[in-house]
Amino acid sequence: EPEVTQTPSHQVTQMGQEVILRCVPISNHLYFYWYRQILGQKVEFLVSFYNNEISEKSEIFDDQFSVERPDGSNFTLKIRSTKLEDSAMYFCASKVWTAGDGYTFGSGTRLTVV
Amino acid sequence: EDQVTQSPEALRLQEGESSSLNCSYTVSGLRGLFWYRQDPGKGPEFLFTLYSAGEEKEKERLKATLTKKESFLHITAPKPEDSATYLCAVRTTNGGATNKLIFGTGTLLAVQP
Repeated sequence: EPEVTQTPSHQVTQMGQEVILRCVPISNHLYFYWYRQILGQKVEFLVSFYNNEISEKSEIFDDQFSVERPDGSNFTLKIRSTKLEDSAMYFCASKVWTAGDGYTFGSGTRLTVV
Repeated sequence: EDQVTQSPEALRLQEGESSSLNCSYTVSGLRGLFWYRQDPGKGPEFLFTLYSAGEEKEKERLKATLTKKESFLHITAPKPEDSATYLCAVRTTNGGATNKLIFGTGTLLAVQP
């Protein structure tokens, strides 16, 4: 069964450093998402991406965050200057078309900011 | 504001003891209610999508139902491998053609042999 692949599975970074989280969505999917889950809290929407541009973003997704699809397979989330409160699980998800089912999530990257 | 509330927060069952998890929602307009299973340290795994009141879907020991205000996930004769956190999420019409999911906090289910 097709999977959404995320790397790395765990990243530790110092406060103020830049991090890039990587995702390989399912190959025929067109809509891409990032969500995050702070330990013990809800899964929260960050951003959606379609046709090489952001289609929607949450209040959490401020100027410190950016997304990119640098080639035909990868989808990245960059945090420019990490803060302690950015520590969370970050999930990538993809979907084949807008109105259907099938938000497929990756296994996540655990980001720890120290 | 769109909101999703799940109950109970945690549920412990004996193997074979059937029960139900609840997801109540308050949204401007529902474009789908989703159930996911999440194992520790993993991403949400899709189970069901429901779109209209009265709709039901089944998969093995799980059955999801939907009314205008809430959804239930019924677990019949659960096994230890059903132990996981079950997440409910909604997609709404708020702000137009949004595709984001709004999640509840989940129900942590533990099934003891």
